[in-house]
Amino acid sequence: ETGVTQSPTHLIKTRGQQVTLRCSSQSGHNTVSWYQQALGQGPQFIFQYYREEENGRGNFPPRFSGLQFPNYSSELNVNALELDDSALYLCASSLAWSGGETQYFGPGTRLLVL
Amino acid sequence: AQKVTQAQTEISVVEKEDVTLDCVYETRDTTYYLFWYKQPPSGELVFLIRRNSFDEQNEISGRYSWNFQKSTSSFNFTITASQVVDSAVYFCALRGANNLFFGTGTRLTVIP
Repeated sequence: ETGVTQSPTHLIKTRGQQVTLRCSSQSGHNTVSWYQQALGQGPQFIFQYYREEENGRGNFPPRFSGLQFPNYSSELNVNALELDDSALYLCASSLAWSGGETQYFGPGTRLLVL
Repeated sequence: AQKVTQAQTEISVVEKEDVTLDCVYETRDTTYYLFWYKQPPSGELVFLIRRNSFDEQNEISGRYSWNFQKSTSSFNFTITASQVVDSAVYFCALRGANNLFFGTGTRLTVIP
């Protein structure tokens, strides 16, 4: 069974640029959630995708957007990068999101915005 | 509103000591799920346990044990005979409608 994978592992961008992060869900999982984890903090929910549709969103501006593909992999896009976007971005997959299914996390992408 | 509080920011113990990590949660839901995750320096969140609100039975898995008490809204995690490999940040989380609400984490350092 393949776990959750993310790419790239590290990324450096400058303020104002755009970035795309990628996530492949665990085999058999159809739900992908994205989290932002600033240094020294707990992960904060960005949004969730279920069957290619956004299925909930946290308190993040519209310049954070996403996609889910038919194979359930997902992308997180961030436009007009700001210095505060520097963080670890975590992707988690689960089998739907009812009955308390567990979210399994990938290794994350460390984004540094200069 | 849902909230998770991990009051212990950092804990250091000497190897083989027992250590308990505290977690207090707030929710208005009658049915809810609680989780613990471990985050080693590599950054990946590793799932440890899931507990639903129906089941207050304590659970033991090897050196790990969890004490769930609805009366005090706590879901504490104990590591028995700690090892250096247990050094990590541990997060307690509460299930929301679409997401997990995480505490701020407890950094555990096990000193050899």
